[in-house]
Parts: sequence; structure tokens; C-alpha cells
Amino acid sequence: GESVGLHLPTLSVQEGDNSIINCAYSNSASDYFIWYKQESGKGPQFIIDIRSNMDKRQGQRVTVLLNKTVKHLSLQIAATQPGDSAVYFCAEAPRDGQNFVFGPGTRLSVLP
Amino acid sequence: SQTIHQWPATLVQPVGSPLSLECTVEGTSNPNLYWYRQAAGRGLQLLFYSVGIGQISSEVPQNLSASRPQDRQFILSSKKLLLSDSGFYLCAWWRRQGTDTQYFGPGTRLTVL
Repeated sequence: GESVGLHLPTLSVQEGDNSIINCAYSNSASDYFIWYKQESGKGPQFIIDIRSNMDKRQGQRVTVLLNKTVKHLSLQIAATQPGDSAVYFCAEAPRDGQNFVFGPGTRLSVLP
Repeated sequence: SQTIHQWPATLVQPVGSPLSLECTVEGTSNPNLYWYRQAAGRGLQLLFYSVGIGQISSEVPQNLSASRPQDRQFILSSKKLLLSDSGFYLCAWWRRQGTDTQYFGPGTRLTVL
């Protein structure tokens, strides 16, 4: 289900360091996963996705890792920049479903 | 390319007043459409989704309703707003057979006083 009532956990990193944001998903039947970035006052923006037949996918400065054995998803951001400060959500889509299920979100704070 | 519009961007309404938020999608056909609500500093709560014209599924019982009068139009309504209806309302679309990615609109910030 959705943890909509919880305060967001926060991850603080130094500018230039790598960030790792983790997400545990619930449905072993999910076959598609997305990471979103949401800046204050804006809608979530797509960052990167991965299908269940893969365990790693790389984009520009971002990498998503999928561990289906333990139902874990992570987003790695290389050389974190101030513009990376935002809330990051993972989302899973069940193979036969019509809805995405979102994680509770993590607030990334980049320190100068 | 596909775009999604929401209006108004911000809205301040008194308790007990009606509500109508509109969402339209361009550049795709027969999408799934979604309404989410997000309280400040919180996650996304799915309110309604629609897989076709006139087809609405409600995820959370409340005083809100949704309608889909056209393929690419999704409307969120209320007859009488409550203080607890305040929040950031997001519309999204998805075509499982298409891009597979769910895209969000810019959102509407609703404040009920």
C-alpha cells in the first residue's frame, strides 16, 4: 500500500559525493519500476526506469539497481549536485495491474 | 510529443464551496488517467483512476468525485469542500502498451480555508 501518512525520510549528502536512495517494493508480480524526482511545488518527473528482466540500468549520472530476490530497488546518483535536491519516489507496476504503487519518498538534501 | 495540462495552478476556496479541477492530455489516445493528492511533505495518495471514457475507479472513499467526459479529459470535483481537502492535486496518464512511463501534470495547489 501507500505510506502517504508518514513524514519523508531525509538523506543528506555533500556536494560531489555519490547518493544512494533505497526503496523496498511489495509485489513480487511487479514487472516495471520507475524513479521519479519531485521538486518543491512541481509534479514528479521521470528519471529512469527498469524492467524486471534487468538488474541494472544506467542513465546520465544515475543508475538504477533491481534486486528481485529481496524486492529492493535503489537509485544511485553520481557526483551529486545542488540541483539534485528534491524528493525521490520509486514506483512499481504490477504485470496485470492498471496502477502504479508509489513508495513513501526520500528527501535528498545536498550540502555545500 | 505528449503533454498534460492542469488548471488552475493554484486555488483558494472556502469550506463548503464546490470544486472542479481539470486535466487534459495531448498527443496520445486512450490513456489511463489518474488523480493523486499529496499533503505537504508526504507521499502520493491515489484518489481515482480511469481506463476509459465514463469509467471511474475510486481508491479512497471521500467527498470527492471524478469524471471522464472525453478520452483525454479528467475532472476532479466536490460539492462541498472540507478543510482536509487541502493539498497538492496531481493528474497523471499512462499507456501500458505505449511508453510504459506514467507522466504527471504540473499539479494544482488547493487551499481550503
